[in-house]
Amino acid sequence: GQNIDQPTEMTATEGAIVQINCTYQTSGFNGLFWYQQHAGEAPTFLSYNVLDGLEEKGRFSSFLSRSKGYSYLLLKELQMKDSASYLCAVRLSTGANNLFFGTGTRLTVIP
Amino acid sequence: GAVVSQHPSRVICKSGTSVKIECRSLDFQATTMFWYRQFPKKSLMLMATSNEGSKATYEQGVEKDKFLINHASLTLSTLTVTSAHPEDSSFYICSARSGAGLGGAQHFGDGTRLSIL
Repeated sequence: GQNIDQPTEMTATEGAIVQINCTYQTSGFNGLFWYQQHAGEAPTFLSYNVLDGLEEKGRFSSFLSRSKGYSYLLLKELQMKDSASYLCAVRLSTGANNLFFGTGTRLTVIP
Repeated sequence: GAVVSQHPSRVICKSGTSVKIECRSLDFQATTMFWYRQFPKKSLMLMATSNEGSKATYEQGVEKDKFLINHASLTLSTLTVTSAHPEDSSFYICSARSGAGLGGAQHFGDGTRLSIL
């Protein structure tokens, strides 16, 4: 079976830094994705890691450790518009190599 | 680039109605499209994988006769919810993969909110 764990909710202050953790146990692994989803909208792609290490993209960075089955998304200089759900997803190595999603972390940014 | 268009964005209809949702890749060809379902405050659950020119592959627990999928061309897949009932009310999202093999990224449509009265 597949399993992805993320905290359900987090709150952070505008201008601060927040780290959202994700641990996964999947039957196969071909990359880890982070998506942002605002309420009632479709997910939008944020980052992708397939090798261990840190990928930086502007205010967003994502880290992966395949041996630990662990990733995190780091958001810097938080803005009010960053309030959203953040979904961790693993691309499986079986079947159609689809994405298996975690339940998401609802981030609330407060002034 | 890599835009996925999903239509309609919202449907409200009576119980027993069949509803068709279209998913189009506008600027790339997608041999594989995915259909997800999302309940409020829950994650996306894969319903089926749609392959151009062949039968869709359904996930365990998803009724093939209830959720009909047609992937007639490299840019269009449709999901038809047949004889919809209130429990089918949900947010349905399609995704199309660009490129071949594992190198292709998945791009999402804007979703369809289905409400069955």
